[in-house]
Amino acid sequence: KAGVTQTPRYLIKTRGQQVTLSCSPISGHRSVSWYQQTPGQGLQFLFEYFSETQRNKGNFPGRFSGRQFSNSRSEMNVSTLELGDSALYLCASSAVALAGGNEQFFGPGTRLTVL
Amino acid sequence: TQLLEQSPQFLSIQEGENLTVYCNSSSVFSSLQWYRQEPGEGPVLLVTVVTGGEVKKLKRLTFQFGDARKDSSLHITAAQPGDTGLYLCAGGENQGGKLIFGQGTELSVKP
Repeated sequence: KAGVTQTPRYLIKTRGQQVTLSCSPISGHRSVSWYQQTPGQGLQFLFEYFSETQRNKGNFPGRFSGRQFSNSRSEMNVSTLELGDSALYLCASSAVALAGGNEQFFGPGTRLTVL
Repeated sequence: TQLLEQSPQFLSIQEGENLTVYCNSSSVFSSLQWYRQEPGEGPVLLVTVVTGGEVKKLKRLTFQFGDARKDSSLHITAAQPGDTGLYLCAGGENQGGKLIFGQGTELSVKP
């Protein structure tokens, strides 16, 4: 079974621009979560989508948004980029969770650099 | 706000030594996962524990979930250079795909 794929792997943008990142989950997985990883803050939860609906949201400004398609693929968008948005953006997928289990499988990430 | 405190943050040891990484919280989690991440890559799931007091072994790695489901530990026996990497603990809630991550432990095993 193929793992989680993310495109692009690397991206360079300038302040004020917007960016769209893509994530394809493991086949059969319906939940997709997004995380931001920086050296100072570590891994922080952005949001989660399940069956095309946002099910959970982290504490990030409205410039960060996402969506999920009927095939479970997901995109996240960051508008009006700031220097502090430079980070590794990780996508993770999971099957419908069993009671108490939240096994998530991560993609390789998209390295975003904002200049 | 749920927080996970991971210690130590950095660990540099010689090949063959044993080590333990701790993950502590004041909150109860429905599950706890351990990941290993290499530079430029996404975290790779090592284990998930869901029952208080649960112990799982993966070759030289032993994982334990505290009785109250608030803390966990990872013990590595006879560490090898291939164990080098960033180890992350993450707590899960009852449902949904939100994980709370610890800050990570950067492990370096020297030959």
